[in-house]
Amino acid sequence: DAGITQSPRHKVTETGTPVTLRCHQTENHRYMYWYRQDPGHGLRLIHYSYGVKDTDKGEVSDGYSVSRSKTEDFLLTLESATSSQTSVYFCAIRQKGGYEQYFGPGTRLTVT
Amino acid sequence: QQQVKQSPQSLIVQKGGISIINCAYENTAFDYFPWYQQFPGKGPALLIAIRPDVSEKKEGRFTISFNKSAKQFSLHIMDSQPGDSATYFCAATEETSGSRLTFGEGTQLTVNP
Repeated sequence: DAGITQSPRHKVTETGTPVTLRCHQTENHRYMYWYRQDPGHGLRLIHYSYGVKDTDKGEVSDGYSVSRSKTEDFLLTLESATSSQTSVYFCAIRQKGGYEQYFGPGTRLTVT
Repeated sequence: QQQVKQSPQSLIVQKGGISIINCAYENTAFDYFPWYQQFPGKGPALLIAIRPDVSEKKEGRFTISFNKSAKQFSLHIMDSQPGDSATYFCAATEETSGSRLTFGEGTQLTVNP
């Protein structure tokens, strides 16, 4: 998994509660990404980061925020979880000097 | 807006056969086209990728064919094996977008023994 860990791996939460997912990498990659995976939609980009404190929105960013205060950690926050945010969330990194993106093991989030 | 369309949604082939998955894109600025393989409960794994300056790339039993004028690319799996049974995703990106990947919807491949 290219030195990427995600935590938690599974989470069940209730509608309206805040949730934070963590992506941690150990290889000092500049670019980091958050995607969600839903049946029939493939993977869709939520937010990405191109450096510490530098982030930008993806195609499905509504209801999500991110933070990157240090190179190794990229946090995804659902301020007030909704059932439509039930999904599998994947973090990815992009290797320096290339286009290749490598994905973490994912976090399965269920919002009840 | 679906910028990368993938077909078929599911595919069943016999062991030893050829699996073919197709993708079409709309954005002519895309300049990198990877394929990912995903097993249940795992993250997508980069399988093979191509740039638009070549028409074909082969790595072992996996080949990407690329048709720039038609804005299409495909994955061919030769001598398909039961261990190839997985979901395959095509994707595309451009450097100026920060290499944000746009994915196809995925193809579930089953290789029967």
